[in-house]
Amino acid sequence: EAGVAQSPRYKIIEKRQSVAFWCNPISGHATLYWYQQILGQGPKLLIQFQNNGVVDDSQLPKDRFSAERLKGVDSTLKIQPAKLEDSAVYLCASSFRGLNTGELFFGEGSRLTVL
Amino acid sequence: GDSVTQMEGPVTLSEEAFLTINCTYTATGYPSLFWYVQYPGEGLQLLLKATKADDKGSNKGFEATYRKETTSFHLEKGSVQVSDSAVYFCALSDSGANSKLTFGKGITLSVRP
Repeated sequence: EAGVAQSPRYKIIEKRQSVAFWCNPISGHATLYWYQQILGQGPKLLIQFQNNGVVDDSQLPKDRFSAERLKGVDSTLKIQPAKLEDSAVYLCASSFRGLNTGELFFGEGSRLTVL
Repeated sequence: GDSVTQMEGPVTLSEEAFLTINCTYTATGYPSLFWYVQYPGEGLQLLLKATKADDKGSNKGFEATYRKETTSFHLEKGSVQVSDSAVYFCALSDSGANSKLTFGKGITLSVRP
């Protein structure tokens, strides 16, 4: 079974530039999550989708971050314009039907460096 | 809000040593508790979980018991191996219909041969 795919693995940009990350969840997984992991901290939820609808985006900085999950499959997370403090690893995770099934499956992450 | 506190790291042990990684939580209601592990170069993966008080999760020789009275979920292993070197995250999920994971800061474990 293929895992959660993310790209790009690494990205370096200047502040005020834009960047987009892509995630393809495990086939059949209805719930998709984007987490931000800053060095030395645990992952923090940015947004949660159930199929193509947003369930929780309370911690998403909506002035600069946006995310979509068209057709309820893959998803894109965009940052525009980027700030220095956005340097982090962006993790995508999916689950069959939310945490009631007991497990999130994570991708390897996309590491962003903002200079 | 919900939160998870892990002991400060990093932790360095010799092979076959006993491991304890402390984790305490703050939550309303009745959360489920998890340990996730991240091996070098890999994504986070579930190590074990417990969904109610006094449950014991176990996997790969690791164990953790859900202690409601002390709000703790400490991770233990009787004899660590070099291959256990990784970052370990304690996490909880609330009991809502659209539950999400709240993570601790993580702790790096290095095991010497």
